[in-house]
Amino acid sequence: QTVVTQEPSLTVSPGGTVTLTCASSTGAVTSGYSPNWFQQKPGQAPRALIYSTSDKHSWTPARFSGSLLGGKAALTLSDVQPEDEAEYYCLLYSGDQGVFGGGTKLTVL
Amino acid sequence: QAQLVQSGSELKEPGASVKVSCKASGYTFSNYGMNWVRQAPGQGLEWMGWINTDSGKTTYVQGFTGRFVFSFDTSASTAYLEISSLKAGDTAVYFCARKIRRIYGMDVWGQGTTVIVSS
Repeated sequence: QTVVTQEPSLTVSPGGTVTLTCASSTGAVTSGYSPNWFQQKPGQAPRALIYSTSDKHSWTPARFSGSLLGGKAALTLSDVQPEDEAEYYCLLYSGDQGVFGGGTKLTVL
Repeated sequence: QAQLVQSGSELKEPGASVKVSCKASGYTFSNYGMNWVRQAPGQGLEWMGWINTDSGKTTYVQGFTGRFVFSFDTSASTAYLEISSLKAGDTAVYFCARKIRRIYGMDVWGQGTTVIVSS
């Protein structure tokens, strides 16, 4: 089964920019994997941020953007806010089967 | 706006069964599939599979076959996850999440249902 790998943790300063990545054990991530990104804060349900690599939901703040970068899916946060501190998960699809990455704990410090 | 509301926490003994419900509102239920996601204590998200709420077709990921069953009641706009022969390792929060129409992904999530399996 596909293994999806994310950075375990990242730290960013308020107002800064950070990029989280999502790699597949099967090779380069393409748009065909339909990358999705989710944010989860402690004790809360996940919140969808990005689908189809770079499309935003109506509620997704403009400072969040998705892309493909160096064979991986990427989530970039610009002008990071304290409330962006959370766990971030990517989801990749192989056929109609989805696999979540292990998550990236983002600390805003 | 679209909303998913899940049933309350459950405490079950090993070997018992549990049925978690996910009631949809604010949209046409049969137009969107429903995903199920598990999160064990202190762990990440696991995609369990999804059900097409129009055709009834189900997709289960390896590891969630056999004891796990997705179903739905269109008249009640409700999706269900039933787990049988519960084990301690099934202790987790279970989320339902609406499938984005015609593409792969999820948008609206339920608040989660905690299932604890303990004697």
